[in-house]
Amino acid sequence: EAQVTQNPRYLITVTGKKLTVTCSQNMNHEYMSWYRQDPGLGLRQIYYSMNVEVTDKGDVPEGYKVSRKEKRNFPLILESPSPNQTSLYFCASSLSGAVAGELFFGEGSRLTVL
Amino acid sequence: EDKVVQSPLSLVVHEGDTVTLNCSYEVTNFRSLLWYKQEKKAPTFLFMLTSSGIEKKSGRLSSILDKKELSSILNITATQTGDSAIYLCAVPNSGGSNYKLTFGKGTLLTVNP
Repeated sequence: EAQVTQNPRYLITVTGKKLTVTCSQNMNHEYMSWYRQDPGLGLRQIYYSMNVEVTDKGDVPEGYKVSRKEKRNFPLILESPSPNQTSLYFCASSLSGAVAGELFFGEGSRLTVL
Repeated sequence: EDKVVQSPLSLVVHEGDTVTLNCSYEVTNFRSLLWYKQEKKAPTFLFMLTSSGIEKKSGRLSSILDKKELSSILNITATQTGDSAIYLCAVPNSGGSNYKLTFGKGTLLTVNP
């Protein structure tokens, strides 16, 4: 089954404790991206990747890092989480870019930073 | 700065009603507009509209792009409780990149039985 898988789905952590949210897709997609969704602010893009070893900042990259060492994986790293990073995070992928049509989203990861 | 504005922000209707959701955009290099439906979990793709495909239809859902008015509408006829969701509109950023997408804040649709 074609899917984007994120882990963990739910996480409560404390300020400053490094964490990684993994994202994996099995559709051989070139493009992957991370979004955060907050009430009243909608979905905002954090980082995206056009291909292996190629990443770029979205609209809200501060406090996050990403890497794309393999085509299928695109982890999101929070080196020193802060409470303002409490949010619902989505990973998404598509065949070749945001305008190619369908973005496939993961189920979301709800992160709470105390 | 690119902008995507959706209205209304929320809407409550009864089963069987017809609804129209609006999306207006400001981008300097328009290429496409996308509609997504988000129920409890991840957004799922509904339609993509471009200059060469300004109207799309799937069952009770249809969408039209008005390039003159820089807007799009999503129509749902004969609504059902399963249509309750957040409907999201998005456009690619105008910087020429194929890879950045700006979403509107969404319209929360509630369909009551």
